[in-house]
Amino acid sequence: NAGVTQTPKFQVLKTGQSMTLQCAQDMNHNSMYWYRQDPGMGLRLIYYSASEGTTDKGEVPNGYNVSRLNKREFSLRLESAAPSQTSVYFCASSADSLTGNTIYFGEGSWLTVV
Amino acid sequence: LAKTTQPISMDSYEGQEVNITCSHNNIATNDYITWYQQFPSQGPRFIIQGYKTKVTNEVASLFIPADRKSSTLSLPRVSLSDTAVYYCLVGPGNTPLVFGKGTRLSVIA
Repeated sequence: NAGVTQTPKFQVLKTGQSMTLQCAQDMNHNSMYWYRQDPGMGLRLIYYSASEGTTDKGEVPNGYNVSRLNKREFSLRLESAAPSQTSVYFCASSADSLTGNTIYFGEGSWLTVV
Repeated sequence: LAKTTQPISMDSYEGQEVNITCSHNNIATNDYITWYQQFPSQGPRFIIQGYKTKVTNEVASLFIPADRKSSTLSLPRVSLSDTAVYYCLVGPGNTPLVFGKGTRLSVIA
């Protein structure tokens, strides 16, 4: 079972470059999320999509944009990368964001901005 | 969203039972309590979820008192492979679940 798949797994960017992190889930979930996790820290929510066609800001949305392409896919874009965006990024999905259903996470994308 | 408070870290020897308590004084009537486990370099994974009293699965037990203002995750006879960060979350709400810093459990041989 694939679950939540995110690409790329590793990426090095130069300051000012742009890139998109891709995420897809095969569980027919309504809700999808992007989190970032800095060393020794908990996860912080960047953006989420409660359902296809909707997106909302989380705790730390500045510097990011998202697209819910369809029910399966939710991408995260960095328009102009900054060193402060060096982090591990996790995509996740759940059946419904309003009922506290189990959240399933991808394996993470390690991003370094130099 | 109900705020949760849990210890930053805990140490335990192999074979011992570990209890991690989470406080959530402002829990709402329709909130569930969910615990996640995160190993280094991996995304969190679901351990257990409960609403009241006691829930047990093959991995852990979750104890929730009648007032639901706290909960305790119990890991029986831990091994080195249980070394991880454990997160307590309370929901649902009008926004998705928010992860705090969790409890870093270190199991010592």
